[in-house]
Amino acid sequence: DIVMTQTPSSQAVSAGEKVTMSCKSSQSLLYSENKKNYLAWYQQKPGQSPKLLISWASTRESGVPDRFIGSGSGTDFTLTISSVQAEDLAVYYCEQYYDTPYTFGAGTKLELK
Amino acid sequence: EVQLVESGGGLVQPGRSLKLSCAASGFTFSDYYMAWVRQAPTKGLEWVASISYDGGSTYYRDSVKGRFTISRDNAKSSLYLQMDSLRSEDTATYYCTREGYVMDAWGQGASVTVSS
Repeated sequence: DIVMTQTPSSQAVSAGEKVTMSCKSSQSLLYSENKKNYLAWYQQKPGQSPKLLISWASTRESGVPDRFIGSGSGTDFTLTISSVQAEDLAVYYCEQYYDTPYTFGAGTKLELK
Repeated sequence: EVQLVESGGGLVQPGRSLKLSCAASGFTFSDYYMAWVRQAPTKGLEWVASISYDGGSTYYRDSVKGRFTISRDNAKSSLYLQMDSLRSEDTATYYCTREGYVMDAWGQGASVTVSS
């Protein structure tokens, strides 16, 4: 199974701060035939279902604010929130869909400083 | 608007069975793979099973293989998860998801508690 490791596990932030969180996979998620990284980011707010933010490592879903930026390739990926808003307080999960079993990281929880 | 609505959750004793259902609307159901993802209380997300467009191919995580069965009825735009021989470690909220490579739509979840 591909192991997904997210750091940090939690981060205290203030509104307006730039935030970065990391996701590392135990094997490359870059598929050589189409040069795509099979990596997604999800946001889960308290009491809600997860919501897809980013697919293919860097493609924002429709309606997702452009302050959410996904980057990286191979085994190292980053989610950046350029200027955190109060509504961004949530747990963020990365997921690999390169191979079954699809696996998620343990999450990064954004909390208010 | 894409909607996924789960039903069938509840409290069940270890070793017993439960069947979850998911009613889909707002998209052409037969055009998508579908999946179940679960989340144990205060824990992270765990993929459980996926099913192809016509149900001809199914995929499971090892811990549920032989106990859980994913199925679909395209005529009813419905997804199912038959869960047999339930264990305490199966206690979780089960989400129905649309799988277009990524899980791009999620239901509100069905709570399953396995306890005597």
